[in-house]
Amino acid sequence: GNSVTQMEGPVTLSEEAFLTINCTYTATGYPSLFWYVQYPGEGLQLLLKATKADDKGSNKGFEATYRKETTSFHLEKGSVQVSDSAVYFCALGNSGGYQKVTFGTGTKLQVIP
Amino acid sequence: DTAVSQTPKYLVTQMGNDKSIKCEQNLGHDTMYWYKQDSKKFLKIMFSYNNKELIINETVPNRFSPKSPDKAHLNLHINSLELGDSAVYFCASSQVLQDNEQFFGPGTRLTVL
Repeated sequence: GNSVTQMEGPVTLSEEAFLTINCTYTATGYPSLFWYVQYPGEGLQLLLKATKADDKGSNKGFEATYRKETTSFHLEKGSVQVSDSAVYFCALGNSGGYQKVTFGTGTKLQVIP
Repeated sequence: DTAVSQTPKYLVTQMGNDKSIKCEQNLGHDTMYWYKQDSKKFLKIMFSYNNKELIINETVPNRFSPKSPDKAHLNLHINSLELGDSAVYFCASSQVLQDNEQFFGPGTRLTVL
């Protein structure tokens, strides 16, 4: 079955540091890949997505590239801000069918001034 | 315009009681979900409905009963509440035959005393 593995947190960084949160997946077919962000006290919201191999999703300075050869979708940001403190979830979804979306376990990011 | 809304936002109740959480989406999506998030932020799917029909039912106690009166609404009724039911419950919706991007509600924090 499908699965998503992402690095355990918490991750603590100083403001303006470089961020990488690793995500690898196992799937059949050609899934779409997502990063969701959950700010404290809120629901999850889509941060970025990529629907096919070699696509790069980007939003708010965050980027992730769909790497089929390494089955990875690592999240990166060049310079984090305190406002980026949140929990980040990698997820995998299959289009064209009624399979559930598979979420990773979440990585908590804390950015300190 | 709220895309996915849930009521109530907070719910505090005694063990053994019965309670309901309501969810509505105005995105025109055909599929709705209930997720449970525990204190470690782990997100677990409970149910999924497509056009009022149950399509995913994970291993959830039968004290939990989802009801979908129409494709814009998915309510969750919980009987005989237990301490372990304390969690944040998220409703979500998606258009499955696209990339299945999930749109989440703000969550309902359920506390069972």
